[in-house]
Amino acid sequence: AQSVTQPDIHITVSEGASLELRCNYSYGATPYLFWYVQSPGQGLQLLLKYFSGDTLVQGIKGFEAEFKRSQSSFNLRKPSVHWSDAAEYFCAVGGGNFNKFYFGSGTKLNVKP
Amino acid sequence: DTAVSQTPKYLVTQMGNDKSIKCEQNLGHDTMYWYKQDSKKFLKIMFSYNNKELIINETVPNRFSPKSPDKAHLNLHINSLELGDSAVYFCASGPGQGNYGYTFGSGTRLTVV
Repeated sequence: AQSVTQPDIHITVSEGASLELRCNYSYGATPYLFWYVQSPGQGLQLLLKYFSGDTLVQGIKGFEAEFKRSQSSFNLRKPSVHWSDAAEYFCAVGGGNFNKFYFGSGTKLNVKP
Repeated sequence: DTAVSQTPKYLVTQMGNDKSIKCEQNLGHDTMYWYKQDSKKFLKIMFSYNNKELIINETVPNRFSPKSPDKAHLNLHINSLELGDSAVYFCASGPGQGNYGYTFGSGTRLTVV
């Protein structure tokens, strides 16, 4: 069965510190993997995606993610967090025709000054 | 502006009423989706249309009826609203191919009282 697990519900980091948000997936075919960010009261914005090639992908706002097939993981990283990064982050897996996505339950990021 | 736009942004209504949420995209995408985000932020797909044809219909009460008059519009009609229908409903669109992410609307917060 297809699923996405984000084991951390809340994460708090200090501004300027590095960040890693975890994502594990289960998918029966070649996965397409995505990270979205949702600011309060807003829709979801695509941060980055992976579907083939280099397993380290760069996204917007200084984020990157690494696909590790052996671990079924697609963790999101940022070397130095800014206060404006405080938001909810969702990992998603999808693919095939018509791109049905499965989302994780989200990780809420708080940033301390 | 190119976007996915939903109306209304907020909807407060009484149990038993019938309401509709409208969605329009001007991105030229072939596929549109409705997702429901519950109070725990979990996102679950409800419906998807490709070129006005229903292609994904998850286990959703038949009080929910999507309608797509053309490929740029996907509306959601809900009959006999219940307290449990309170959620944020997101419309999204995509090109229908597996390696693209969705573009999301900003959501409609439905509160049933």
